[in-house]
Amino acid sequence: EAQVTQNPRYLITVTGKKLTVTCSQNMNHEYMSWYRQDPGLGLRQIYYSMNVEVTDKGDVPEGYKVSRKEKRNFPLILESPSPNQTSLYFCASSLSLNQPQHFGDGTRLSIL
Amino acid sequence: AQSVAQPEDQVNVAEGNPLTVKCTYSVSGNPYLFWYVQYPNRGLQFLLKYITGDNLVKGSYGFEAEFNKSQTSFHLKKPSALVSDSALYFCAVRDDTDKLIFGTGTRLQVFP
Repeated sequence: EAQVTQNPRYLITVTGKKLTVTCSQNMNHEYMSWYRQDPGLGLRQIYYSMNVEVTDKGDVPEGYKVSRKEKRNFPLILESPSPNQTSLYFCASSLSLNQPQHFGDGTRLSIL
Repeated sequence: AQSVAQPEDQVNVAEGNPLTVKCTYSVSGNPYLFWYVQYPNRGLQFLLKYITGDNLVKGSYGFEAEFNKSQTSFHLKKPSALVSDSALYFCAVRDDTDKLIFGTGTRLQVFP
């Protein structure tokens, strides 16, 4: 089944404790992206990647890192999480930016 | 800079009546426009897109959208709403850059 898989689905952690949210897709997609969803703000893009070893900042990259060492994986790293990063995070992938994006089911992060 | 606006936080409609969810956009080049739907505790699902061609685009679940270049709008429509259409709807746009910008979302409530 074609899918984008995010882990974990839920995480409660404390300020400053490094965490990684994994994202994997099995559709051989070139384009991958991370978004955060906050009430009243919609989805905002954090980082995106057009291909392996190519990543670029979205609109809200501060406090986040990503890597794209393999085509299928695009982990999101919070080196020193802070409470303002409490949010619902989505990973998405597509063949290209003009093609529909496939979204994971989301990761709800709570930073205390 | 590109932007997208969804002026209504919520749209209420009776089952069987037509529905419209509004979206306006601003881009510096040719627009690429998308509609996505989000059900509770799930990621976004693609509904339809406009790249070029006919101004009326048909998509999944009986939805369609009309591209209007002069009004810079891309409203989502359905002739007869179902209770199961109740969800959160997002409009998204990109221009000639690599970024995809989402609106803040419109909650559609269809009453029996």
